[in-house]
Amino acid sequence: GAGVSQSPSNKVTEKGKDVELRCDPISGHTALYWYRQSLGQGLEFLIYFQGNSAPDKSGLPSDRFSAERTGGSVSTLTIQRTQQEDSAVYLCASSLQGGGQETQYFGPGTRLLVL
Amino acid sequence: DAKTTQPPSMDCAEGRAANLPCNHSTISGNEYVYWYRQIHSQGPQYIIHGLKNNETNEMASLIITEDRKSSTLILPHATLRDTAVYYCIVTVSGAGSYQLTFGKGTKLSVIP
Repeated sequence: GAGVSQSPSNKVTEKGKDVELRCDPISGHTALYWYRQSLGQGLEFLIYFQGNSAPDKSGLPSDRFSAERTGGSVSTLTIQRTQQEDSAVYLCASSLQGGGQETQYFGPGTRLLVL
Repeated sequence: DAKTTQPPSMDCAEGRAANLPCNHSTISGNEYVYWYRQIHSQGPQYIIHGLKNNETNEMASLIITEDRKSSTLILPHATLRDTAVYYCIVTVSGAGSYQLTFGKGTKLSVIP
């Protein structure tokens, strides 16, 4: 079956521009997660959605970062006024119900490069 | 905040079994052991997980010691496509347990 998909696969932008990253979770998965992974670094949690609401936004690094989810499905992560330190791979994952200790299935990621 | 310890790298001959160890001596009774892998330039891929019993699926087997302080991921017949970084994680229970944290993992190189 279809897995988690993300678009674009690669994004190059100039410092100060806004970017939108999209995630399509596995159909029927209630929970959706955003992470980012910097070069050679581990996984950094950003935000967790349960349905359309985000009970945990604790990982968003600054108010330039926001995310929304509509229809309990597609999610968009928006980074405003991008900075060079935002360059990373942004990963989306989904799981069936959420809430912990549940298998998360990851998408291929969006590689963001801020020049 | 490493709850797991893995060797940084391992080699395995193609067609042989790859046995990847993981120590998790501080694991609690209701915490699961999960294995993911990440092939270069791809997103993490779920492999297998277990609580206390050994588990097997189409990708791998997971052997957990009786005291649950360590486990071994077994890829029975490694192929070149299994070359990846393998992450062993313990999913913490309670609030925020969905926040996956990967350590440095084991870089497995499958040699032709």
